[in-house]
Amino acid sequence: KQEVTQIPAALSVPEGENLVLNCSFTDSAIYNLQWFRQDPGKGLTSLLLIQSSQREQTSGRLNASLDKSSGRSTLYIAASQPGDSATYLCAVAGGTSYGKLTFGQGTILTVHP
Amino acid sequence: NAGVMQNPRHLVRRRGQEARLRCSPMKGHSHVYWYRQLPEEGLKFMVYLQKENIIDESGMPKERFSAEFPKEGPSILRIQQVVRGDSAAYFCASSPREFYEQYFGPGTRLTVT
Repeated sequence: KQEVTQIPAALSVPEGENLVLNCSFTDSAIYNLQWFRQDPGKGLTSLLLIQSSQREQTSGRLNASLDKSSGRSTLYIAASQPGDSATYLCAVAGGTSYGKLTFGQGTILTVHP
Repeated sequence: NAGVMQNPRHLVRRRGQEARLRCSPMKGHSHVYWYRQLPEEGLKFMVYLQKENIIDESGMPKERFSAEFPKEGPSILRIQQVVRGDSAAYFCASSPREFYEQYFGPGTRLTVT
């Protein structure tokens, strides 16, 4: 059974810092991995999708890497801003899962001015 | 291109009543996933449907819950005889194909009194 863990559970940083969020998964037979952000009381916004054959993906100030063999992904946020404050979720789709996602518990990020 | 639509956004039901949650996928998407987010817990997969077919319902409670995705119209998640433990946020996601990026709706927040 796939399990996804995210560390840290919460992170508070001053504006402008570069930061790294970590995600690990127990079964390396994944098809892809998605990073999402969730604002309080809202839905999920997809940030990045990495296919299992890829090593990283970039979008603006975000960079996600994937090391499938070790069961790890990191989300790097450059020059953080208060608007980045949200919960960040990592989710994996297993190789035989029909694409259903297994989520981590999330990292609550607060960026203060 | 409108995003994934869910309605209602908030639903209050008394114990024993029925709850019907609707999800309209993005245009061109024929794959729908339902997830549930219980208070203080992570997102959990419930069911995966394609048009007129349930593909994977391994995350659905065995009793009182059902889902459908008819040829015409939205996908429906139906909860019969609701209990307080059903109070949660229910999200649907759609994708154009299996294992493709999933796009989430804003969710329906169900409160059972």
